[in-house]
Amino acid sequence: DAKTTQPTSMDCAEGRAANLPCNHSTISGNEYVYWYRQIHSQGPQYIIHGLKNNETNEMASLIITEDRKSSTLILPHATLRDTAVYYCIVSPPTDSGGSNYKLTFGKGTLLTVNP
Amino acid sequence: NAGVMQNPRHLVRRRGQEARLRCSPMKGHSHVYWYRQLPEEGLKFMVYLQKENIIDESGMPKERFSAEFPKEGPSILRIQQVVRGDSAAYFCASSLRTSGANEQFFGPGTRLTVL
Repeated sequence: DAKTTQPTSMDCAEGRAANLPCNHSTISGNEYVYWYRQIHSQGPQYIIHGLKNNETNEMASLIITEDRKSSTLILPHATLRDTAVYYCIVSPPTDSGGSNYKLTFGKGTLLTVNP
Repeated sequence: NAGVMQNPRHLVRRRGQEARLRCSPMKGHSHVYWYRQLPEEGLKFMVYLQKENIIDESGMPKERFSAEFPKEGPSILRIQQVVRGDSAAYFCASSLRTSGANEQFFGPGTRLTVL
């Protein structure tokens, strides 16, 4: 699976948009970009995923660059409860064979939302 | 629709005892994954199971650890003769895994403490 690079930590003011970058310059054409987060002591929470197009759901938006070498997760109005470690993961589709079901978690970005 | 359920949430064992961790996947999900998170480390894949089958156990220690996902009932991760190094958070995830993207949804985890 392609490797991802994320900043170690970021701060954001409550109510403002949080923009979390991820670099995945070695991503393959069929690999998805997934974002998860882990609030302290809880299980990882799925946020969003995308392949080529930008995606939006009730939690966040995912912006993927045209060359797919990087992406940004946007939390439009961050709250204190969004303080967590955010993981950007790249993984091939389920029907591509191999061990494509493994999610490889790096160190992620610790987002701290400040009041 | 209930999410992934894990029990117990906290488990304390003495060295040499057995630990049994249970995971009930989301309704309709037949794919289960176990991950381990050692203190201050990232999540690491352990094993992937479908109903009655172990698909990949490459991330699981070859001794003392076993996993099953019977036709009826929850998936079980079993650790025999626990040692202090087994102290960790164990997370279970489930997915539909039909084709394309493979969103995995995680449970709250079981925190194992070995005295």
